[in-house]
Amino acid sequence: TQLLEQSPQFLSIQEGENLTVYCNSSSVFSSLQWYRQEPGEGPVLLVTVVTGGEVKKLKRLTFQFGDARKDSSLHITAAQPGDTGLYLCAGVSGNTGKLIFGQGTTLQVKP
Amino acid sequence: ETGVTQTPRHLVMGMTNKKSLKCEQHLGHNAMYWYKQSAKKPLELMFVYSLEERVENNSVPSRFSPECPNSSHLFLHLHTLQPEDSALYLCASSQDHRWASYNEQFFGPGTRLTVL
Repeated sequence: TQLLEQSPQFLSIQEGENLTVYCNSSSVFSSLQWYRQEPGEGPVLLVTVVTGGEVKKLKRLTFQFGDARKDSSLHITAAQPGDTGLYLCAGVSGNTGKLIFGQGTTLQVKP
Repeated sequence: ETGVTQTPRHLVMGMTNKKSLKCEQHLGHNAMYWYKQSAKKPLELMFVYSLEERVENNSVPSRFSPECPNSSHLFLHLHTLQPEDSALYLCASSQDHRWASYNEQFFGPGTRLTVL
């Protein structure tokens, strides 16, 4: 069974701090997506990375796909309270073509 | 209405009740999905429909019964549920059911289900 492990599971930081969330697997994924889910809402897609080693930036968020396409990271610079939410990574299995989700990282940014 | 809508937003039911969750997408997509989101567990894909035809059923207990009357509407009929079925049930849609890097899924806000 393919699994995506996210770490940390919970993160509480002060406004202005930097943070990194990791998404790891022993399996290869053909692409990987990052979602953010706010309380009372469904997940919203932030980015899709496809190529090993790919780096994408979305304002203060930087996403990286590992060279071997088994892992990914999300780095947030100068976090703001509006960044608070549940961050989910989801990988498209290279074997089955199915979308597999990690268990999520809950981020709390205090003003 | 825009995007993906779900009703009701909250539902409390007893183990002997029968209820239904409704999902509607206003995006002109061909694929619709039901997911279960439990605390501290990954999203679990339950069912996938493509053009009203069920294309995936991930070993979901028969007490959950999906229905897709057309490509814009998706229902999840519930009966004789267990307390462990309490969770957030999310509906999503996408242009195509085949996974691809360009195939973005759009999620509804979910129905928070509590089974007593």
